[in-house]
Amino acid sequence: EAQVTQNPRYLITVTGKKLTVTCSQNMNHEYMSWYRQDPGLGLRQIYYSMNVEVTDKGDVPEGYKVSRKEKRNFPLILESPSPNQTSLYFCASSPQPGQGGYGYTFGSGTRLTVV
Amino acid sequence: KNEVEQSPQNLTAQEGEFITINCSYSVGISALHWLQQHPGGGIVSLFMLSSGKKKHGRLIATINIQEKHSSLHITASHPRDSAVYICAVPYSGGGADGLTFGKGTHLIIQP
Repeated sequence: EAQVTQNPRYLITVTGKKLTVTCSQNMNHEYMSWYRQDPGLGLRQIYYSMNVEVTDKGDVPEGYKVSRKEKRNFPLILESPSPNQTSLYFCASSPQPGQGGYGYTFGSGTRLTVV
Repeated sequence: KNEVEQSPQNLTAQEGEFITINCSYSVGISALHWLQQHPGGGIVSLFMLSSGKKKHGRLIATINIQEKHSSLHITASHPRDSAVYICAVPYSGGGADGLTFGKGTHLIIQP
């Protein structure tokens, strides 16, 4: 089944403890991206990647890192999480960058709480 | 950056009613996306359209490129249509830098 897999689904952590949220797609998509969703603010882009070893910042990159060493994986790294990073996170992928006419597939989401 | 406005923010209707959700954006685009998010659930892509109209079951999406406006219609609405509906467009029009989103329309269909 074609899908984007995110793990974990739920995570509670403490301030300052490094964590990684994994994202993997099995559709050979070139484009992958991370979003966070907050009440009243909607979805906002954190980082995106147009291909292996090519990443760029979105609207709200502060406090996050990403890497794209392989086409299928695009992990989101929080080196020192803070409570304002408590949010619902989504990973998404799409076949072709720069071509808005291709659909996106979203992961199931990761609900992160930082205390 | 493309700015996206959705209306209404909240909508409560009775089962069977015809529903319309609107989306306006500021920069010309290659395609517009309509997404659905059920409570506690993930995000599902409903439509991607660059011109005219698309239909899938009871859902119809239309777009007017000249007016930078799209609508999502639901005919014969049902309680299972209760969800948040989100409009999304390419960040700066072309799509190379991802999507920017409307804040969503929270739809409740009462039996």
